[in-house]
Amino acid sequence: AQTVTQSQPEMSVQEAETVTLSCTYDTSENNYYLFWYKQPPSRQMILVIRQEAYKQQNATENRFSVNFQKAAKSFSLKISDSQLGDTAMYFCAFMNGASGTYKYIFGTGTRLKVLA
Amino acid sequence: EPEVTQTPSHQVTQMGQEVILRCVPISNHLYFYWYRQILGQKVEFLVSFYNNEISEKSEIFDDQFSVERPDGSNFTLKIRSTKLEDSAMYFCASSVNRLNTEAFFGQGTRLTVV
Repeated sequence: AQTVTQSQPEMSVQEAETVTLSCTYDTSENNYYLFWYKQPPSRQMILVIRQEAYKQQNATENRFSVNFQKAAKSFSLKISDSQLGDTAMYFCAFMNGASGTYKYIFGTGTRLKVLA
Repeated sequence: EPEVTQTPSHQVTQMGQEVILRCVPISNHLYFYWYRQILGQKVEFLVSFYNNEISEKSEIFDDQFSVERPDGSNFTLKIRSTKLEDSAMYFCASSVNRLNTEAFFGQGTRLTVV
């Protein structure tokens, strides 16, 4: 069975600084997808960034980038130039691309606070 | 921008009572999901639904749970006889099709069973 582990329950970062959130996963599959979702306080989860396992190049979306280490089964999120609006719960998620069901397996989340 | 909406935002119910959580997915989406998050724990998959039938369900989704798309727009989760351990945040999600891996989530319904 696949599992996702986020070892940092809470983190804080000064505005304009860079922060990295950790995520590791366990799977025997070769075809899968990895995601970071952001959940601001009292708001819905929204997709931050997505990585296809078959792509070696790390995904980037503006200030958000990932460090995808397939052999190590690691998928960390780097937020550059942190902004107050980045304060949120961040969930790492795994999806088995071969199963045909397209369900997410989530980690427990990291609560990030950006300090002014 | 279209979004998934869930009602109510908070529901308190007596143990043993039936509860229906409602969701309106994004209109052109075809795949629908329910997830739940018990306080302090991870978000867990409950069920996926496509073409008016369940595609997959987890072991959590036992006979006390059911889903329905009664009118082509709403997607409901019914818990027949609630237990204290059903207290959780319930998230509805939808996606365009199964080739598009991004799911859009609602804000969630906090269910409290007393």
